[in-house]
Amino acid sequence: SAVISQKPSRDICQRGTSLTIQCQVDSQVTMMFWYRQQPGQSLTLIATANQGSEATYESGFVIDKFPISRPNLTFSTLTVSNMSPEDSSIYLCSVGGGAEQFFGPGTRLTVL
Amino acid sequence: AQSVTQLDSQVPVFEEAPVELRCNYSSSVSVYLFWYVQYPNQGLQLLLKYLSGSTLVKGINGFEAEFNKSQTSFHLRKPSVHISDTAEYFCAVSILSGGGADGLTFGKGTHLIIQP
Repeated sequence: SAVISQKPSRDICQRGTSLTIQCQVDSQVTMMFWYRQQPGQSLTLIATANQGSEATYESGFVIDKFPISRPNLTFSTLTVSNMSPEDSSIYLCSVGGGAEQFFGPGTRLTVL
Repeated sequence: AQSVTQLDSQVPVFEEAPVELRCNYSSSVSVYLFWYVQYPNQGLQLLLKYLSGSTLVKGINGFEAEFNKSQTSFHLRKPSVHISDTAEYFCAVSILSGGGADGLTFGKGTHLIIQP
């Protein structure tokens, strides 16, 4: 299994600002994934991040709103840009893919 | 594309009674199947998964699930629940691909409420 940490664990932000969430894994992994869990809802895949290439975004998510970096095999960031209250969610980092999927503890974001 | 349906948004059960949480999926290709649990204000924890082989899968905390290909179902069961099982349960699928690089598609979740 993989141990995943996320920073920050929670934040309260003002609308119009941006927040960058960090995801650190204790081992080298090929694929990293970012999910969003809106209040009382299920998890939705935002994008898949492969080291050395552009992230692949799911329908309904765009790079301008959720830019992702993947500088090496143990680290990724997700930025939530120009935030609105609708962006208030838990954002989760995940590693693996296919048969093995491990999740970080999540970042709880509240936008006022 | 694949989809997951959890028909019951909420399931109330008395303590020590059996429970079944239903999950059906749709996919044009073979899938891996998962059940995750999310306790209040906590992260996701893997309960069990089906990859191949025996259709009855045993997981942690006394849970088990049975894969039924003909009915495209993966229902979760526990013979006797405890107060501590109160949580949100998510069924999820990942498609079987050679690259192994696929994320999960989740159902909407079932809130299991254990009543004393």
